[in-house]
Amino acid sequence: AQSVAQPEDQVNVAEGNPLTVKCTYSVSGNPYLFWYVQYPNRGLQFLLKYITGDNLVKGSYGFEAEFNKSQTSFHLKKPSALVSDSALYFCAVRDVGNYQLIWGAGTKLIIKP
Amino acid sequence: DGGITQSPKYLFRKEGQNVTLSCEQNLNHDAMYWYRQDPGQGLRLIYYSQIVNDFQKGDIAEGYSVSREKKESFPLTVTSAQKNPTAFYLCASSIGQGQGETQYFGPGTRLLVL
Repeated sequence: AQSVAQPEDQVNVAEGNPLTVKCTYSVSGNPYLFWYVQYPNRGLQFLLKYITGDNLVKGSYGFEAEFNKSQTSFHLKKPSALVSDSALYFCAVRDVGNYQLIWGAGTKLIIKP
Repeated sequence: DGGITQSPKYLFRKEGQNVTLSCEQNLNHDAMYWYRQDPGQGLRLIYYSQIVNDFQKGDIAEGYSVSREKKESFPLTVTSAQKNPTAFYLCASSIGQGQGETQYFGPGTRLLVL
């Protein structure tokens, strides 16, 4: 069965430091992977996705994610965190042959000045 | 939040009452979705629709109903059969349902029980 794990409920980073939000997945075939961000009481905003090709995907607001097939991971990264990056981040996966997105539980990112 | 609107922003439901959440998109997307979000959990799919006049149940459809009479509209009714309706409801749409398709979300409706 498909599944997505975001192992950290919360990540704390100082402003200006690099940040990583972790995501691991389990699918039977080649995955389609997505990252979204949610600000309080708002809908989700699409950040980036991996479908095929280059393992390093660049997205909105300076975020990027690295697809690692051997480790079944798709960690979200940013070289220098901003206070405004503080939000809830969701990873999602879609398996080949399955149209439904499977969502992680979310990771709260807190950037401290 | 793009071209997807949800209304109202907050909705209060009384015991035994049906309530309807509105979702409209002007993106010309074929596929639309309803999700429920509870604290500490990922999104759970309630219903989805790939095309007008067609829709399918998601993982937690019990106590909910939908219609898709127009391409741009996908209203969700929370019926009295839904015993725990308090949650944040998110509507999304995508151009199609291809596996690489990106879903775009509305701003959400928070449903509270009086």
